[in-house]
Amino acid sequence: AQSVSQHNHHVILSEAASLELGCNYSYGGTVNLFWYVQYPGQHLQLLLKYFSGDPLVKGIKGFEAEFIKSKFSFNLRKPSVQWSDTAEYFCAVMGSGNTGKLIFGQGTTLQVKP
Amino acid sequence: NAGVTQTPKFRILKIGQSMTLQCTQDMNHNYMYWYRQDPGMGLKLIYYSVGAGITDKGEVPNGYNVSRSTTEDFPLRLELAAPSQTSVYFCASSYSPGQGGFRETQYFGPGTRLLVL
Repeated sequence: AQSVSQHNHHVILSEAASLELGCNYSYGGTVNLFWYVQYPGQHLQLLLKYFSGDPLVKGIKGFEAEFIKSKFSFNLRKPSVQWSDTAEYFCAVMGSGNTGKLIFGQGTTLQVKP
Repeated sequence: NAGVTQTPKFRILKIGQSMTLQCTQDMNHNYMYWYRQDPGMGLKLIYYSVGAGITDKGEVPNGYNVSRSTTEDFPLRLELAAPSQTSVYFCASSYSPGQGGFRETQYFGPGTRLLVL
C-alpha cells in the first residue's frame, strides 16, 4: 500500500534560519507529489507539486522541493524562514489509478520565532 | 469564485445523533473528496466522487455516507455519531479531463470542526 512519512513532527526555528522538512513515500510506480500548507485557522493551500521533468520544483513564497527518485524522497526547503511561515505542512502523494486521491503524511508543525 | 465552501464551521453532536456536512464548489470540478484530519495523523480520505451519480469509498468510510446528485454538491452524512468521529472534516475538489492521467491540483474548503460528546 502507498504511504507517506514525514520525519519531523514539530520544528522550531528562528527567523532567517534555513528549513528542510523530510518526506518519504512508498510507491513503485510513477508518482505525483505535493506539499500543502495550512496556516493557523485557514484551509489547506498548495505550496508546490511535482509531476515530471525537473526534479527541483519551485513553489510559492520561496519554497522549493527536490524529488530524489532513488531515495523515494520529496523534501521541502526554504533558505530563510519568516515568522509568517508558521504553519502545518503536509506532504502528499497521488494514489494509483485515475481518481486523484491523495495520501497524506502525518504533517509537520513549523513554529518560527521572531 | 467562492471556491469550495463548507457548512457548518463547527458543530457539537451527541452520541447517536445524525447530521450532514455540506460541501459546495463553484469551479465546475468533476472530482470531489472528503477527508478527515486528526491530530498527528494527517488527512485520511473518507469518500470521493468522480462525477455526479458516482461515488466510492476511501481509506476510512465506516460510519459515513455520501451522495452526489449534482456537480456542485457533495454532502457527507453521519448517521449515528460516535466519539471516534470527532475530527476536522475537509472537502476538496479538482478537475480532470479524463485523458492522459490525473495531474490536477485539489482545492480545499475551510473545514468543519465536529465534536461528538
